[in-house]
Amino acid sequence: NAGVTQTPKFQVLKTGQSMTLQCAQDMNHNSMYWYRQDPGMGLRLIYYSASEGTTDKGEVPNGYNVSRLNKREFSLRLESAAPSQTSVYFCASTRSDRGVTGELFFGEGSRLTVL
Amino acid sequence: GEDVEQSLFLSVREGDSSVINCTYTDSSSTYLYWYKQEPGAGLQLLTYIFSNMDMKQDQRLTVLLNKKDKHLSLRIADTQTGDSAIYFCAESRTSSASKIIFGSGTRLSIRP
Repeated sequence: NAGVTQTPKFQVLKTGQSMTLQCAQDMNHNSMYWYRQDPGMGLRLIYYSASEGTTDKGEVPNGYNVSRLNKREFSLRLESAAPSQTSVYFCASTRSDRGVTGELFFGEGSRLTVL
Repeated sequence: GEDVEQSLFLSVREGDSSVINCTYTDSSSTYLYWYKQEPGAGLQLLTYIFSNMDMKQDQRLTVLLNKKDKHLSLRIADTQTGDSAIYFCAESRTSSASKIIFGSGTRLSIRP
């Protein structure tokens, strides 16, 4: 049972380049999320998709776009990468954004460095 | 705005108890969580507590909530090397996962 799978695990970009982080979950969850994790800071929500066909901004959406491709897949795109976007990115999912406990299931993370 | 604060590091001797502390600012917090992140992995929910509870125990884990002081703690009894990880405190006013606010995490290291 794979859970939440993210690709790639590591990526180095030059300033101005674009790239897409892919995320897929096999738990039949309705809601999916993208977070970034920076040293000394908690996880910050970039975008989320409460259900297939919907996406919403989180706390730090600037410089990112997302696509909920289908129920399983939720991608995060950096159109023009900046050094401030150097971070570890986590994808997460849950059965429903308005579930009883709010338990999130996380992928292993994608470490992105922008030079 | 809402904030969740934790100390960054904690070092404990193997076999001792670990106590990880967290304070939060939102008095409307209803759901409080502890997540664990092992090296190279994503976060995993350890336990959660509702604001109408004072304590929750699950095997070696004890969560204490002082709602008046907005203080949450996680006690790990008989700490083992496998407990080495980063522990994140998190809170939310609702059960909506998109509203969860995470702390910066406490890195727990175990001394032999």
